[in-house]
Amino acid sequence: ETGVTQTPRHLVMGMTNKKSLKCEQHLGHNAMYWYKQSAKKPLELMFVYNFKEQTENNSVPSRFSPECPNSSHLFLHLHTLQPEDSALYLCASRVTSGGTNTGELFFGEGSRLTVL
Amino acid sequence: GNSVTQMEGPVTLSEEAFLTINCTYTATGYPSLFWYVQYPGEGLQLLLKATKADDKGSNKGFEATYRKETTSFHLEKGSVQVSDSAVYFCALRSQAGTALIFGKGTTLSVSS
Repeated sequence: ETGVTQTPRHLVMGMTNKKSLKCEQHLGHNAMYWYKQSAKKPLELMFVYNFKEQTENNSVPSRFSPECPNSSHLFLHLHTLQPEDSALYLCASRVTSGGTNTGELFFGEGSRLTVL
Repeated sequence: GNSVTQMEGPVTLSEEAFLTINCTYTATGYPSLFWYVQYPGEGLQLLLKATKADDKGSNKGFEATYRKETTSFHLEKGSVQVSDSAVYFCALRSQAGTALIFGKGTTLSVSS
């Protein structure tokens, strides 16, 4: 149990489907992140939310749409994806204020996405 | 811009061998440096970190020293175990940054 839970763990979808990935953190953190992990490439930062506000969008295509309704939940809505979007999508959280700002990210186990 | 470069893998070792995984970085100012580990089928876990020059991070027998002069943060372990088989990621967070920038990862395979 890492404190960051991602669902589903595996998802297969067609290019015309609409699906969502969900992330929930039970650590009381206020910042949440989406990263994309593809084979042979560094982890790519996609989005950052701090206190529910999006603070970074790393030039992510609009077919990926994040949503952060509160500091504990983060979604990634997927629409008309391409096969090259197949990857492991990792959610992470961090505390960014107060005396315990260690800079450490806590990761979920990831959602393995396959786009056919 | 900020970046992290790790040695290419995979690294294949026998149990009890000495491990070094090289990591160098490019960043302005004084970044914080991290090593994360990813076991098969799991997310990333923090292994160790260092927040200023000459700091040594250590955990589970692994060590890494923040070397400002060589912009390096090499990971070492004196005697690896089969259970250390995983992917290791070096990362940095810049002074002003909110997110971590990762290297490509190095796969370690330890056989008995």
